[in-house]
Amino acid sequence: NAGVMQNPRHLVRRRGQEARLRCSPMKGHSHVYWYRQLPEEGLKFMVYLQKENIIDESGMPKERFSAEFPKEGPSILRIQQVVRGDSAAYFCASSLGDRETQYFGPGTRLLVL
Amino acid sequence: AQSVAQPEDQVNVAEGNPLTVKCTYSVSGNPYLFWYVQYPNRGLQFLLKYITGDNLVKGSYGFEAEFNKSQTSFHLKKPSALVSDSALYFCAVRDIYGNNRLAFGKGNQVVVIP
Repeated sequence: NAGVMQNPRHLVRRRGQEARLRCSPMKGHSHVYWYRQLPEEGLKFMVYLQKENIIDESGMPKERFSAEFPKEGPSILRIQQVVRGDSAAYFCASSLGDRETQYFGPGTRLLVL
Repeated sequence: AQSVAQPEDQVNVAEGNPLTVKCTYSVSGNPYLFWYVQYPNRGLQFLLKYITGDNLVKGSYGFEAEFNKSQTSFHLKKPSALVSDSALYFCAVRDIYGNNRLAFGKGNQVVVIP
């Protein structure tokens, strides 16, 4: 029973490039969450999605960041025109329902040069 | 707004001794409380949660946590620490009436000394 899968595990981008982070939830889970972990800090909520819907994006930066969870395929967190401050670990979590335990993937570590 | 505080940066404990990792919370209503553990360069692994019921919650790998409403605390405990318990531990909370986002503490590094 595969857990939450994220790819790539490590991503290096130069300033101004785009970063695409992918998350496949656990089998049967239709709720996906994205969190960001900056160095020496805890995780900060970014966005909560269900299939084809953004439920809560209150933690997303207003510009350059977007997320989707299409009917088919993984959830995508997209960062346009990356800056050095975007360097962080990005974690995806999924849950069976909207009040169920969130299970986390291994994360994508983004480094912006 | 919901939040948790983990007051200690690092907890050092000798192997075989009891381990306690502290967490206090703040929510507007009743809390859902969680503990996760993170090993180096890995994701977070779920340990246990408190929703309702018994104040003492038992979880994975011999860990347990005690919910104390009057002190707004949810300390993680293990009777006898193992070297393999050395990791980063996160407490998290969400308001049962609010949205699903988890608010995490900054984490506690636990070092178990052989």
